[in-house]
Amino acid sequence: SQTIHQWPATLVQPVGSPLSLECTVEGTSNPNLYWYRQAAGRGLQLLFYSVGIGQISSEVPQNLSASRPQDRQFILSSKKLLLSDSGFYLCAWSVTGFSANYGYTFGSGTRLTVV
Amino acid sequence: KQEVTQIPAALSVPEGENLVLNCSFTDSAIYNLQWFRQDPGKGLTSLLLIQSSQREQTSGRLNASLDKSSGRSTLYIAASQPGDSATYLCAVNMNRDDKIIFGKGTRLHILP
Repeated sequence: SQTIHQWPATLVQPVGSPLSLECTVEGTSNPNLYWYRQAAGRGLQLLFYSVGIGQISSEVPQNLSASRPQDRQFILSSKKLLLSDSGFYLCAWSVTGFSANYGYTFGSGTRLTVV
Repeated sequence: KQEVTQIPAALSVPEGENLVLNCSFTDSAIYNLQWFRQDPGKGLTSLLLIQSSQREQTSGRLNASLDKSSGRSTLYIAASQPGDSATYLCAVNMNRDDKIIFGKGTRLHILP
């Protein structure tokens, strides 16, 4: 069965520090991978998506970047965190051509607080 | 540009009642629609997925319907329980790069 792992669950980081959040998927090949952010009281905002290794598309200009070094690994990074980067970060996957039957699957999220 | 709206933003209902959550979308050319549940501080759990060719899907006490022509979906919850308290989100897939568009959700509180 397909599973998605996301860590850490919570993170408190000082302003100006680097960030690395990791997401891995098991049980599927060549998934589409997504990073979303959910700020307090706001909806889900798509930050990045990837359709393959090394292929990253950014949805909004920001202080963050994403990388996909392996087929089932998606990493969200920042060189210097801002207070506005605080939020709940969610990773998700889907499979092109199969999403009609399987939809999206989300990880458990990372609560990032920048202090 | 597709817009997804969920009304109401919040809802409180006594335990045991049946209830309906609404989702509307502006572009009817969707690929599928997915309902999710999100508990506070947690990720999203998929509840039901309706393909564009389907009218409804059922899972236990949940029933989701889809009316593409009118741009609406409803999530029906029968015999509500306190454990149903959560935020419910709907999302539509336009089959463009396989990305989905979320509504802002309905925060449901079931009163014991």
